[in-house]
Amino acid sequence: GQSLEQPSEVTAVEGAIVQINCTYQTSGFYGLSWYQQHDGGAPTFLSYNALDGLEETGRFSSFLSRSDSYGYLLLQELQMKDSASYFCAVWKNFNKFYFGSGTKLNVKP
Amino acid sequence: DAGVIQSPRHEVTEMGQEVTLRCKPISGHNSLFWYRQTMMRGLELLIYFNNNVPIDDSGMPEDRFSAKMPNASFSTLKIQPSEPRDSAVYFCASSIGAGGNNEQFFGPGTRLTVL
Repeated sequence: GQSLEQPSEVTAVEGAIVQINCTYQTSGFYGLSWYQQHDGGAPTFLSYNALDGLEETGRFSSFLSRSDSYGYLLLQELQMKDSASYFCAVWKNFNKFYFGSGTKLNVKP
Repeated sequence: DAGVIQSPRHEVTEMGQEVTLRCKPISGHNSLFWYRQTMMRGLELLIYFNNNVPIDDSGMPEDRFSAKMPNASFSTLKIQPSEPRDSAVYFCASSIGAGGNNEQFFGPGTRLTVL
């Protein structure tokens, strides 16, 4: 199997910045995606990184370092509606997809 | 666009019964994915199709599970016979292209309970 490591839970306050890390096994790696899932809902796509560096989309940014087998999702100006689970997912060997176990983000007033 | 459509949304059945889950991908998408989500095992890819052809079914847990995609607008995931450990939320997703760089659009899921 594959091992993706991400924290199980993170708590932050409204307006703050939070970073959710993800480490993965390198072999066959093509790219790293991030998905958001609210309780009772379906995952929705946030970002994809194949090359090193930072990709910014509004309040959310995603970073990848292929040499470190590491990426993170950065959420800025946190809002209550950002309370959800966030999953990193790797694409490997052109036809394999693996999701991490998810990080539950709790945003408090 | 209606998005990915799954039916039924909820299914309660008894152990040993056959269960069929259905999925209609977004029109124009040529890749379709079936996932299972449980608290214990998280989100697992079961199988995915590209242009109606199964590309990777290594995630299918055992022979009791089978999936078909007879045409570009319909897919089924069948469990026969069902067991209590199959209880989970099953998601279908579709994308333009098979690569991980393509955004996968998830359906609302089918919550399966096997008694």
